This record gives sequence, C-alpha cells and structure tokens, in this order.
Amino acid sequence: NAGVMQNPRHLVRRRGQEARLRCSPMKGHSHVYWYRQLPEEGLKFMVYLQKENIIDESGMPKERFSAEFPKEGPSILRIQQVVRGDSAAYFCASSGPAGATEAFFGQGTRLTVV
Amino acid sequence: GENVEQHPSTLSVQEGDSAVIKCTYSDSASNYFPWYKQELGKRPQLIIDIRSNVGEKKDQRIAVTLNKTAKHFSLHITETQPEDSAVYFCAASEGGTSYGKLTFGQGTILTVHP
Repeated sequence: NAGVMQNPRHLVRRRGQEARLRCSPMKGHSHVYWYRQLPEEGLKFMVYLQKENIIDESGMPKERFSAEFPKEGPSILRIQQVVRGDSAAYFCASSGPAGATEAFFGQGTRLTVV
Repeated sequence: GENVEQHPSTLSVQEGDSAVIKCTYSDSASNYFPWYKQELGKRPQLIIDIRSNVGEKKDQRIAVTLNKTAKHFSLHITETQPEDSAVYFCAASEGGTSYGKLTFGQGTILTVHP
C-alpha cells in the first residue's frame, strides 16, 4: 500500500510564474489536506478537500492560491504569480472517512522562488 | 480558532536520559492530539496520538499524557537514543469533524548526545 505521494519533490520557479503541486492520497483515503511549512517553523493548515469538494479553506491565502481534488486524478495546489515569500515546503496529508483515522503525510514539495 | 503552544523550543539531553515536551491548547472542543517526529528534510511522521477520552497512552519508550481540564498534553521519551534526535511537533484537531485538520505547535528540536 503506497503512502501519500507528492510530486514534484523539488520545484524552482521564477517570480511571477505558476507552481502546480500534486498529491495522491493513500489508497482508500478520501480526505486530503494541504499544509505549508516555512523554514524552521511548524506546519500551517491551508485547505481540506474531499473528492470534488473544498471542505475548509480557512488557511488558504485569499489571492493567488487555489486547490482542487477532482473526481479522477491527484489533488492539485496551484500558486499563481509566485513571490519569494511562497518559498516553503508544502505537505499533503490524507486520511480515511471523517473521524476514522489519523492523517499520514507525504514527502512534501519544496518550492523555491528565485 | 485553535492555538497550540509548545515548549521548550530546543531540548538537549544525554543518551539514556528522559525527554519531556509540553503543549497547551486553547479550544476545549479539540479532541485529538497527535505527536509527529520530523527529521531534517523529511515528512512529519506520526509517533503517537491520544484522544480526549484517554488520560495516558504508552508505546514502548514513548508516552503521552493529556489533562483536558488544564488543556495541556505532554510527550515523554524515556531511555533516549541518538536516533531520537529530530524536531517534534504536537498538534490538536478542531471540532472533532476530521482528524486531519490540525493546528501544530512551533516544534521542539531534540538533540540526544551519545
């Protein structure tokens, strides 16, 4: 049973470009969460999604950031017009039905904006 | 929203000693408290968790205690080993709707000296 898969592992973007981060949850998991970790800081919740639904986006910046979890395929976190302050590690986690299991994290995507 | 405070920020112990990390939370509705270990450049890994109907849980050298009245919980590592060196994060879930939406503490850098 493969774990949570994220790609790419490392991503370099120039200021103003778009970044697309992908996350495939563990088999059997239908809940996906995105977190951001700035250097030497804790993880901050961004968004919680189920298939075709955004359940909670209270941690998502209001502009330039969006997320989706389509019926088919991985969850995508999209950052438009990246700025240097977007440089961070972005982690995806998945869990089973609500309240049923703990969340397991992927290896993360390390975004560097130059 | 939930706020989680974690102390100390750094902890240095000799191999074989015990290590204790403490966290407090603000939202009395929180009902799930996991602890994650993160090695440099890697993903957070769940090491132990506790739910609000339990006061203490132990798994080999690791134990977690929870005081709901005081809204604090602690991680105890006994007989520490150099491979325990990592950053440890406590977390709390909000509202009991899903265990995957977590508020993390700031992290504790644990160093175990041989």
